Amino acid sequence: DVKVTQSSRYLVKRTGEKVFLECVQDMDHENMFWYRQDPGLGLRLIYFSYDVKMKEKGDIPEGYSVSREKKERFSLILESASTNQTSMYLCASSLRSSGSRREQYFGPGTRLTVT
Amino acid sequence: EDKVVQSPLSLVVHEGDTVTLNCSYEVTNFRSLLWYKQEKKAPTFLFMLTSSGIEKKSGRLSSILDKKELFSILNITATQTGDSAVYLCAVENNAGNMLTFGGGTRLMVKP
Repeated sequence: DVKVTQSSRYLVKRTGEKVFLECVQDMDHENMFWYRQDPGLGLRLIYFSYDVKMKEKGDIPEGYSVSREKKERFSLILESASTNQTSMYLCASSLRSSGSRREQYFGPGTRLTVT
Repeated sequence: EDKVVQSPLSLVVHEGDTVTLNCSYEVTNFRSLLWYKQEKKAPTFLFMLTSSGIEKKSGRLSSILDKKELFSILNITATQTGDSAVYLCAVENNAGNMLTFGGGTRLMVKP
């Protein structure tokens, strides 16, 4: 079974703090993704990565950065947290495949509150 | 800009009822449509649909895609309380497995 783990389930940070959210997958997937999920807005893609040291902006990258130094690990960084970044953050991974087994597998999510 | 719209936003039914969830989309380079179920944690994968008119089935759940009319439906028959969840529809484009998600349909099944 694919396993995607995230470093924290719940996190409370203060405005202006630097925040690191970690994601690790154990299935040797090439692709990794960071989403945020807000009521009524569904999941929105922040950043994704096709390979180590590669990153691409998603739909809402402002205020975030990412790091992928190892294939299994993808980090989301909030350089200076703001209250509008209070959200559920979901990490996902997938095979880079043209075949049918390329669905994304999700971690359990980190609920971040910025006060 | 790719767009995915799900309806209804929420739905309350009783055990044993049949439900149909809808997903319509506009995407420039369609590759596939996916359905996920999300309870209080990670979304779990249900189906991936790539071809029109071919029903995918798993137990009491089934789904079909219409690429001409740009929509998909997810059917759940003989609903159970364990089906209560948010159901997410997402469309994959050709640019490397990127997904655009709809807002989800929240289903509540009452005993």
